Amino acid sequence: NAGVTQTPKFRVLKTGQSMTLLCAQDMNHEYMYWYRQDPGMGLRLIHYSVGEGTTAKGEVPDGYNVSRLKKQNFLLGLESAAPSQTSVYFCASSEQGALTEAFFGQGTRLTVV
Amino acid sequence: TQLLEQSPQFLSIQEGENLTVYCNSSSVFSSLQWYRQEPGEGPVLLVTVVTGGEVKKLKRLTFQFGDARKDSSLHITAAQPGDTGLYLCAGAETSGSRLTFGEGTQLTVNP
Repeated sequence: NAGVTQTPKFRVLKTGQSMTLLCAQDMNHEYMYWYRQDPGMGLRLIHYSVGEGTTAKGEVPDGYNVSRLKKQNFLLGLESAAPSQTSVYFCASSEQGALTEAFFGQGTRLTVV
Repeated sequence: TQLLEQSPQFLSIQEGENLTVYCNSSSVFSSLQWYRQEPGEGPVLLVTVVTGGEVKKLKRLTFQFGDARKDSSLHITAAQPGDTGLYLCAGAETSGSRLTFGEGTQLTVNP
């Protein structure tokens, strides 16, 4: 069982470049999340989705966009990368939102230079 | 956004010692989860506590949810090097859609 798969695992971007991070889950979960993890700041929620075709803003949404065209996929886009977006990004999915276990991918380490 | 404060941020102890990690908030959470994260991996769920005052045990780990559902603690008895990792608490907001994470406690258990 693959669980939650994130691609790519590593990426270096130049300031102003764009990219898309892909998250795929094979557990038929309704809820999907994108977090960023920075030293000493835990996991901060960027955007989330409560079902196919829906998205909502989290705690730190500025500079990011998301789409959930298919239930199993949740895409995170950076239109114009900034050094402040250097971070480790985690995707997660859960069956019934915050009341059930969140399954995480292995993360994407993004460096913006 | 509801906030969770976790303490201590760093903890380095010797094998065999006991330790407690705290997770505190001024807000009420529907439930609280504890995750453990190893380097290069995503967090993995250890336990979920739902009822105020609830205590759950997982081998040498004891988790407690405060009576008012605003705080929680993780106690490890006789820590082992294999317990080394980042421990994260996460509270379920009343909407049920989102988890709020604490800053994490980096635990190192030295042999």
